[in-house]
Amino acid sequence: DAGVIQSPRHEVTEMGQEVTLRCKPISGHNSLFWYRQTMMRGLELLIYFNNNVPIDDSGMPEDRFSAKMPNASFSTLKIQPSEPRDSAVYFCASSGQGQETQYFGPGTRLLVL
Amino acid sequence: DQQVKQNSPSLSVQEGRISILNCDYTNSMFDYFLWYKKYPAEGPTFLISISSIKDKNEDGRFTVFLNKSAKHLSLHIVPSQPGDSAVYFCAASLDNYGQNFVFGPGTRLSVLP
Repeated sequence: DAGVIQSPRHEVTEMGQEVTLRCKPISGHNSLFWYRQTMMRGLELLIYFNNNVPIDDSGMPEDRFSAKMPNASFSTLKIQPSEPRDSAVYFCASSGQGQETQYFGPGTRLLVL
Repeated sequence: DQQVKQNSPSLSVQEGRISILNCDYTNSMFDYFLWYKKYPAEGPTFLISISSIKDKNEDGRFTVFLNKSAKHLSLHIVPSQPGDSAVYFCAASLDNYGQNFVFGPGTRLSVLP
């Protein structure tokens, strides 16, 4: 199995630009999670979906952040406009029905200048 | 306020000796706990878990201990190997359905040859 796939692996952009991060969960998994890792806050959950429906987005920092899951095999996390404080590593994870753990992708390292 | 705490940002251990990583939590409703390991430039990978109905779970060189009254869990690695050098995240959940994990900030373990 290919595991969770994220793209791009690295993104460097300028403040004010739109950033779109992409995730393909493991085939057959019905839950998808977006996390952000920073030195200050560690690994924090931004939003998660069950069967393509957003369940909890309380971790989304502000309206500049949005996430979609148009189908079971694809999700996006968008930041518009981006700011330097958004610089972090963004992870996508997925889990299957009845599974007790989550499987993480390799992450996208975002740098906003 | 952090619900899951790992008060040691880093730990160094000699190869062959025991590594003990600690984790404390504040929410007594947490029912399921996990440890993840993360290598640089990779996503976290699941290591071991424990349900609140147990006080110990063992998998090879890795053992997790849970003390519910103290709201404390620990991960023991015996014997430690250089390949164990990584960042270890403790996570807690209200259930074991693979959703809504709260992660600690992580502890960086260095196993010295």
